[in-house]
Amino acid sequence: KAGVTQTPRYLIKTRGQQVTLSCSPISGHRSVSWYQQTPGQGLQFLFEYFSETQRNKGNFPGRFSGRQFSNSRSEMNVSTLELGDSALYLCASSLNRGTNTEAFFGQGTRLTVV
Amino acid sequence: AQSVTQPDIHITVSEGASLELRCNYSYGATPYLFWYVQSPGQGLQLLLKYFSGDTLVQGIKGFEAEFKRSQSSFNLRKPSVHWSDAAEYFCAVGAQTNTGTASKLTFGTGTRLQVTL
Repeated sequence: KAGVTQTPRYLIKTRGQQVTLSCSPISGHRSVSWYQQTPGQGLQFLFEYFSETQRNKGNFPGRFSGRQFSNSRSEMNVSTLELGDSALYLCASSLNRGTNTEAFFGQGTRLTVV
Repeated sequence: AQSVTQPDIHITVSEGASLELRCNYSYGATPYLFWYVQSPGQGLQLLLKYFSGDTLVQGIKGFEAEFKRSQSSFNLRKPSVHWSDAAEYFCAVGAQTNTGTASKLTFGTGTRLQVTL
């Protein structure tokens, strides 16, 4: 069974540009969550999509957005990039609803903003 | 709002020695607790989880954790550390949301484990 796949693994962008990151969840998983990891702030929840709808949102500016497709694949977009957006972006998928679920993480996309 | 505290930023142990990584959480309802491990430049791998029932849970790679409600703790232990265990370890709490308990995790700041030979 394939794990969570994130593409690309590495990205270098210039301030002011926009970027789109992709995440393919484990087959059958309908929930996809995104996290930002930085040395200063640690791991922070961005948002979660379930059945193509954003269900939960973290405390990030509107420049950070996402979407989910009917096959559960998800994309995350960051517009007007800032130097502080440099981070490892992690995607996690989990199985439907319920209380006995766990999140499986991809290897992440390392974004560097110059 | 939930929070997780990992008081030890960095721990060094000798190979073969025992290990305990501390985790304290704050959450108003029944906590759903997880321990993850991250190797440099990699994603997070789940070591173990606690939802309910037996307060001592076993995980992969010989790790175990004990849930103590009275102390709001979920410490990770391993009887004998191997050099390959060197990594960063994260404790997390999952909120009960409308899409499950693992879709919105709050992480601690992590503990970096160094293993000396």
